[in-house]
Amino acid sequence: EAQVTQNPRYLITVTGKKLTVTCSQNMNHEYMSWYRQDPGLGLRQIYYSMNVEVTDKGDVPEGYKVSRKEKRNFPLILESPSPNQTSLYFCASSDRVVSGANVLTFGAGSRLTVL
Amino acid sequence: AQSVTQLGSHVSVSEGALVLLRCNYSSSVPPYLFWYVQYPNQGLQLLLKYTSAATLVKGINGFEAEFKKSETSFHLTKPSAHMSDAAEYFCAVSPFGNEKLTFGTGTRLTIIP
Repeated sequence: EAQVTQNPRYLITVTGKKLTVTCSQNMNHEYMSWYRQDPGLGLRQIYYSMNVEVTDKGDVPEGYKVSRKEKRNFPLILESPSPNQTSLYFCASSDRVVSGANVLTFGAGSRLTVL
Repeated sequence: AQSVTQLGSHVSVSEGALVLLRCNYSSSVPPYLFWYVQYPNQGLQLLLKYTSAATLVKGINGFEAEFKKSETSFHLTKPSAHMSDAAEYFCAVSPFGNEKLTFGTGTRLTIIP
């Protein structure tokens, strides 16, 4: 089954304790992206990647890091989490269609709470 | 830069009634427009997309949206609401030739039995 898999789905952590949210897709997609969803703010893009070793900042990259060493994986790293990073995180991927009309396939989400 | 405005963070309709969810966009170049739906405790999935082929776009589950350039709108409609339509709906815009997708703040649709 074609899918985007995120882990963990739920996590409670404390301020300053480094954590990684993994994202893996099995569709050979070139484009991958991370979003955070907050009430009243919709989805905001954190980072995206056009291909292996190519990443760029989205709208809210502060406090996050990413890497794209393999095509299928795009982990989101919080080096020193803070309470304002408590959110619902989504990973998404798509074929890189030149015209830009990409349809994103989303993971099920990772709910992170930072105490 | 592009942006999307969704009017109404919460919309309630009776079962069987018309569903109308509003979306207005801003884009300096011809846009691609999308509606995504998020069911409880799930990720987003595509309802429909506009890519300039036709102004009236039909999607899954009986939804459709009409692109109106003069009004910079892409409102989502469904003639008859079903209980299973209860979800959060997101409008999104992507400029031509650019993978960056900007989402609206979402509209939560409640269906009244």
